Amino acid sequence: QVQLVESGGGVVQPGGSLRLSCAASGFTFSDFVMHWVRQAPGKGLEWVAVISYAGSERYYADSVKGRFTISRDNSKNTLDLQMNSLRAEDTAVYYCAREASNSWYWWGQGTLVTVSS
Amino acid sequence: QSALTQPRSVSGSPGQSVTISCTGTSSDVGGYNYVSWYQQHPGKVPKLLIYDVTKRPSGVPDRFSGSKSGNTASLTISGLQAADEADYYCCSNAGSYIYVFGTGTKVTVL
Repeated sequence: QVQLVESGGGVVQPGGSLRLSCAASGFTFSDFVMHWVRQAPGKGLEWVAVISYAGSERYYADSVKGRFTISRDNSKNTLDLQMNSLRAEDTAVYYCAREASNSWYWWGQGTLVTVSS
Repeated sequence: QSALTQPRSVSGSPGQSVTISCTGTSSDVGGYNYVSWYQQHPGKVPKLLIYDVTKRPSGVPDRFSGSKSGNTASLTISGLQAADEADYYCCSNAGSYIYVFGTGTKVTVL
């Protein structure tokens, strides 16, 4: 059974850093493009970042470009999101999601990041 | 990377049909047949309803259907049920591996 389990969320001060992780199981991790999607409290879904199968290609939403870095370790079946220079508007539930057929059937349960002083 | 435009809310009575529009540009919705739709109940993880504009994953009722014309995609829910009351989001590929979501639509069953 496919499982995606995020961890690493918490409370951080503005300007601080946080590293999220997503542990994948139940499928061949290296065969899938992986994404991070977030949702601010009471707001809509926002695509954040994507990484290709081997990690050679990475793309980011304009809102996080230059501050967030997505990475993956196919030997450990993990997906990471390093978040630096955090702002209040980065407060959200962060989901990792597995892409297939240009969409996301499998999502993690999400991890909450709160940026507040 | 501007969000796709959806109506803030739509409503209908049980058994009726409702249609949610999703308007983008030629750089996203109009440029690719990679539109997907998600249903999200409060506090829950989004659920994939439609992918590649018109395709339904296994287990999704055929009451949910998708279409696209030009820069606008649409999701139609037929035979509206109380359980369909939720938020709905469209999403489109915008080139390479990049995606953009819609602003979201709240469906209310009267």
